[in-house]
Amino acid sequence: SAVISQKPSRDICQRGTSLTIQCQVDSQVTMMFWYRQQPGQSLTLIATANQGSEATYESGFVIDKFPISRPNLTFSTLTVSNMSPEDSSIYLCSVVPQGEGTEAFFGQGTRLTVV
Amino acid sequence: EDQVTQSPEALRLQEGESSSLNCSYTVSGLRGLFWYRQDPGKGPEFLFTLYSAGEEKEKERLKATLTKKESFLHITAPKPEDSATYLCAATLYNTDKLIFGTGTRLQVFP
Repeated sequence: SAVISQKPSRDICQRGTSLTIQCQVDSQVTMMFWYRQQPGQSLTLIATANQGSEATYESGFVIDKFPISRPNLTFSTLTVSNMSPEDSSIYLCSVVPQGEGTEAFFGQGTRLTVV
Repeated sequence: EDQVTQSPEALRLQEGESSSLNCSYTVSGLRGLFWYRQDPGKGPEFLFTLYSAGEEKEKERLKATLTKKESFLHITAPKPEDSATYLCAATLYNTDKLIFGTGTRLQVFP
């Protein structure tokens, strides 16, 4: 398993501003995943972050809106840029620990409200 | 298009009333089928992974099964603490990313 810490746990932001969410893992992992969970809905993958390379974004998500950093094997950040109320969601970081099964483990999430 | 569908959307059970949750999947090359539990305000908590048709896994009052087209999460004699949203997700070969269903919101009343 893996222990994942996300910061902040929640925030209320003004529209037009940006928020950076941090994800710290207690072990080294090759890939980290960022998901969005809109109110009352399931999880949608935003992007996959590999250490040492550009993140891979899913259809409907772009780097200018959701820039991602992956400076080392235990840490990643997701920035939500130029926010609008439609960005109000829970953002979740996920990892698949190396050398174990294929199970993904999740952080507690960041609940973002844009006003 | 790869897709995972869960039913019902919501389920209300009396304590002790057993039932099943369904997860249907249409994916190109299933590597694994996952079940997660999500409590309000928290991230998903891993429950089970199933890899091949016919496989079953159990944990306390929960049992997950897998066929070539769907998975079931059976809940035997549920308790109020089993109330949560149960998420099903599929992962494909050559990737670790998950395709999630929309979830089943389970409420168990005393």
